[in-house]
Amino acid sequence: AQSVTQPDIHITVSEGASLELRCNYSYGATPYLFWYVQSPGQGLQLLLKYFSGDTLVQGIKGFEAEFKRSQSSFNLRKPSVHWSDAAEYFCAVGPYNTDKLIFGTGTRLQVFP
Amino acid sequence: EAGVTQFPSHSVIEKGQTVTLRCDPISGHDNLYWYRRVMGKEIKFLLHFVKESKQDESGMPNNRFLAERTGGTYSTLKVQPAELEDSGVYFCASSPLGGGTDTQYFGPGTRLTVL
Repeated sequence: AQSVTQPDIHITVSEGASLELRCNYSYGATPYLFWYVQSPGQGLQLLLKYFSGDTLVQGIKGFEAEFKRSQSSFNLRKPSVHWSDAAEYFCAVGPYNTDKLIFGTGTRLQVFP
Repeated sequence: EAGVTQFPSHSVIEKGQTVTLRCDPISGHDNLYWYRRVMGKEIKFLLHFVKESKQDESGMPNNRFLAERTGGTYSTLKVQPAELEDSGVYFCASSPLGGGTDTQYFGPGTRLTVL
């Protein structure tokens, strides 16, 4: 069955520190891959997506993610975190043959000044 | 351009009562999706409308949930009667026709609490 695992429920970092949020997926082929962010009171906002091609994907707000087929991973990174990045982050896969997104359980990011 | 809107933002009801959630998609978006996040769990797909037709309702948990999209515009999701396990955040998303998974725009969600 298709699934997405985000092993870190809660991460705390200091402002200015680097960040990596982990995501592993289980799928028979290479799916479409996404990272979404939800800030308090806001909807889910798409940070970036991977469909094919270059395995390093650039997104909004200075985020990037790297697709590693051998590890079935799609980790999200940011070199220097800002206090406004505090939010909940969701990794998702989009199977080819449906419109339904399959999400992980989310990682809540807390940023200390 | 207005984004996806959902009403209410919060709803607290007692077990056995009925609640209706509303979603207004982005204007012109024919695809409309409902998802749900039970506390601490993943966001799960409930169903997908194309215009007023249900394209995929494989994620609907049981027959206490009824989704409608009259006229292919806004959609409602009714829970009747509500049970404790229905508590969670209900998200709506929309996308243009042919958009698929890569262009789903999400609303802020409705937090439902069943006591």
